Amino acid sequence: KQEVTQIPAALSVPEGENLVLNCSFTDSAIYNLQWFRQDPGKGLTSLLLIQSSQREQTSGRLNASLDKSSGRSTLYIAASQPGDSATYLCAVRGATSGTYKYIFGTGTRLKVLA
Amino acid sequence: SQTIHQWPATLVQPVGSPLSLECTVEGTSNPNLYWYRQAAGRGLQLLFYSVGIGQISSEVPQNLSASRPQDRQFILSSKKLLLSDSGFYLCAWAAGGTDTQYFGPGTRLTVL
Repeated sequence: KQEVTQIPAALSVPEGENLVLNCSFTDSAIYNLQWFRQDPGKGLTSLLLIQSSQREQTSGRLNASLDKSSGRSTLYIAASQPGDSATYLCAVRGATSGTYKYIFGTGTRLKVLA
Repeated sequence: SQTIHQWPATLVQPVGSPLSLECTVEGTSNPNLYWYRQAAGRGLQLLFYSVGIGQISSEVPQNLSASRPQDRQFILSSKKLLLSDSGFYLCAWAAGGTDTQYFGPGTRLTVL
């Protein structure tokens, strides 16, 4: 059974810092992995999607990497801003789990201090 | 452009009462539709997903059910709510054949 873990659960950093959020999964047989952002009391917004054949994806100040064999992904945020404060979730789609089903981690709650 | 709506935004219901949450998508056809629940301190849990009208897959045995009466309408129901049904319910859609999911604003359900 796939399990997704995100460490740390919460993180507080000063504005301008580069930071790394971690995601690990127990079953390396994945189809792809997504990173999402969730603002308090809101729905999720997809940030990056990495296919199992890819090593990384970039969007603006965000870079996500995937090491499928070791069951890990990282989300790198460059030059953090207060507007980046949110909960970040990763989710994996298993290669054999069926149609478009994702297992989510519990998220990392990020606070960027001005 | 595509938009996804959920209502109501918040709901407070007594134990044993029925439930109906609605989700509609505009600007796309034949989307994959999903219902998730996010309970306090827990991750997002997939409840149901649908790849077409009348096609519902259930992921978690429980007192909830889902229906898709129209292509872009997804309904989550219960005949009798339990305290453990409290949580934040999110609907999402994805274009058929793709994986990027787009989430609605969510419904905060409190069962007392």
